[in-house]
Amino acid sequence: GNSVTQMEGPVTLSEEAFLTINCTYTATGYPSLFWYVQYPGEGLQLLLKATKADDKGSNKGFEATYRKETTSFHLEKGSVQVSDSAVYFCALSERDDKIIFGKGTRLHILP
Amino acid sequence: DGGITQSPKYLFRKEGQNVTLSCEQNLNHDAMYWYRQDPGQGLRLIYYSQIVNDFQKGDIAEGYSVSREKKESFPLTVTSAQKNPTAFYLCASSPWGGTYTDTQYFGPGTRLTVL
Repeated sequence: GNSVTQMEGPVTLSEEAFLTINCTYTATGYPSLFWYVQYPGEGLQLLLKATKADDKGSNKGFEATYRKETTSFHLEKGSVQVSDSAVYFCALSERDDKIIFGKGTRLHILP
Repeated sequence: DGGITQSPKYLFRKEGQNVTLSCEQNLNHDAMYWYRQDPGQGLRLIYYSQIVNDFQKGDIAEGYSVSREKKESFPLTVTSAQKNPTAFYLCASSPWGGTYTDTQYFGPGTRLTVL
């Protein structure tokens, strides 16, 4: 079945460092891909998405490119801030109105 | 303001009691979902509903029940049959119930603790 695998955390970086959180997927069709962010004690918020191969989603300085050849959707940011500390979830959509989420990657940014 | 509300934010229950978690949305979305979140396990789908008066089991439906009598409301009941109910519960909705789901919008969550 379809699945999402993302790098385990926690990931700890200093402020202004470059961020990459890896995400790979397995899907039988052509899913949409998402990154969601969860701040402490809150629900998830959509960060960005891409609906077809080679699309790049971007928001708040974060970017991710839908790579069908490598079945990947890695999240990147050029210069992280303390306020980016959160849990990040990679996800894909599939038929039957469901989204499959990865297990999440906790990010700590040190001042 | 449009959005999803969940109440209460914190809920305590004694063992053996049923408890109902509220989820309301004013986004006019067709589909609604309930997830359970445990540390280190990501989100697991409990139930989802594409239209009023219809719902489907997700991956971990045992010990839970839902209803969808109105488009804007999708309450979740955690029954005494759920063996380990302490968790963070998240409700979500999405714009349409077609073949592929679009973006899901999440509520702030309810943290349930069984005493």
